[in-house]
Amino acid sequence: EAQVTQNPRYLITVTGKKLTVTCSQNMNHEYMSWYRQDPGLGLRQIYYSMNVEVTDKGDVPEGYKVSRKEKRNFPLILESPSPNQTSLYFCASNLPGTSYEQYFGPGTRLTVT
Amino acid sequence: GESVGLHLPTLSVQEGDNSIINCAYSNSASDYFIWYKQESGKGPQFIIDIRSNMDKRQGQRVTVLLNKTVKHLSLQIAATQPGDSAVYFCAESGAQKLVFGQGTRLTINP
Repeated sequence: EAQVTQNPRYLITVTGKKLTVTCSQNMNHEYMSWYRQDPGLGLRQIYYSMNVEVTDKGDVPEGYKVSRKEKRNFPLILESPSPNQTSLYFCASNLPGTSYEQYFGPGTRLTVT
Repeated sequence: GESVGLHLPTLSVQEGDNSIINCAYSNSASDYFIWYKQESGKGPQFIIDIRSNMDKRQGQRVTVLLNKTVKHLSLQIAATQPGDSAVYFCAESGAQKLVFGQGTRLTINP
């Protein structure tokens, strides 16, 4: 089954404790992206990657890092999480040239206390 | 600036009626306009898109209309069903980037 998976689905952590949210897709998509979703603000892009070893900032990259060492994986790293990073995070992927038809993962709900 | 917004945050319709969800955008340079559906506890799911040089596109029970004169986008759902209950997002695309609106929650009354 073609899908985007994220782990963990739920995470509660404390300020300053480094964490990684994994994302993997099995569709051989070149383009991958991370979004955060907050009430009243919709989905905002954090980082995106157009191919292996190619990453770029989205609209809200502060406090986040990403890496793209393999085509299928695109982990999101929070080196020192803060409470304002409490949010619902989505990973997405798509074929190049179709940035509008993105396939989204199920989401990771992160709470930073 | 670049923004995508919605006229109404909630919409309630009777089962079997048609639903119309509206969206305003400000970036005239966008290549595509897209509608996504997000059910509770799930990620957004692509519904339909329309290229900027078109004014109407139909899918299965859905129609998207684009009015570039007033920068307005709408999603029409025919014969609304309980399974259509969700939050609907419009988005605009350009340069490998999607900009999403805030979303409209569609609820279906039996």
